[in-house]
Amino acid sequence: AAGVIQSPRHLIKEKRETATLKCYPIPRHDTVYWYQQGPGQDPQFLISFYEKMQSDKGSIPDRFSAQQFSDYHSELNMSSLELGDSALYFCASSLGLGSADQPQHFGDGTRLSIL
Amino acid sequence: QQQVKQSPQSLIVQKGGISIINCAYENTAFDYFPWYQQFPGKGPALLIAIRPDVSEKKEGRFTISFNKSAKQFSLHIMDSQPGDSATYFCAASSLWSGGGADGLTFGKGTHLIIQP
Repeated sequence: AAGVIQSPRHLIKEKRETATLKCYPIPRHDTVYWYQQGPGQDPQFLISFYEKMQSDKGSIPDRFSAQQFSDYHSELNMSSLELGDSALYFCASSLGLGSADQPQHFGDGTRLSIL
Repeated sequence: QQQVKQSPQSLIVQKGGISIINCAYENTAFDYFPWYQQFPGKGPALLIAIRPDVSEKKEGRFTISFNKSAKQFSLHIMDSQPGDSATYFCAASSLWSGGGADGLTFGKGTHLIIQP
């Protein structure tokens, strides 16, 4: 079965640079979620989109923005990168607003390293 | 403030034994409690989930027990196998009361090792 596709898998940037992470949800899924996972930490929810509209907002820094496009893929834009932004960034998708029958399915993440 | 508290942080179990991981939550608005399994370099994968109107749910070797009054839930892995060695996260969200695509709040994770 098709899964959530994230690109790139690895990204190296320097401080104060910008980065764009992409997420392609499971076909027919209309909801995407972004999470940040630091080394040895639990995933922290950043933001979600349903039908191209922002739905829920977590601990996303003001330096980050995201959007969902007409084909339901999503992009996370990160500016003025800091050393502390080094982490795994996961995208998850679900059908509808999420439910016990339509859970969130995660991609394998983008590993972002800030030098 | 950690809204979902998970214990233990690490756990070693002999092959064939029962692995038990516990979680407690604070937010009474939470109404959906999934467990995820994560291998190194991979994204979390859903194992099993429960709603608060059910006290227990079993899928294969995995069982969730839920105590609404105590605001606690636990994962039991029966007949634990070396392939079960991974990090396990409990999580919670407000699917029905949130009104939107609510993000999951995760516990800190349990690093499980099954010894052959």
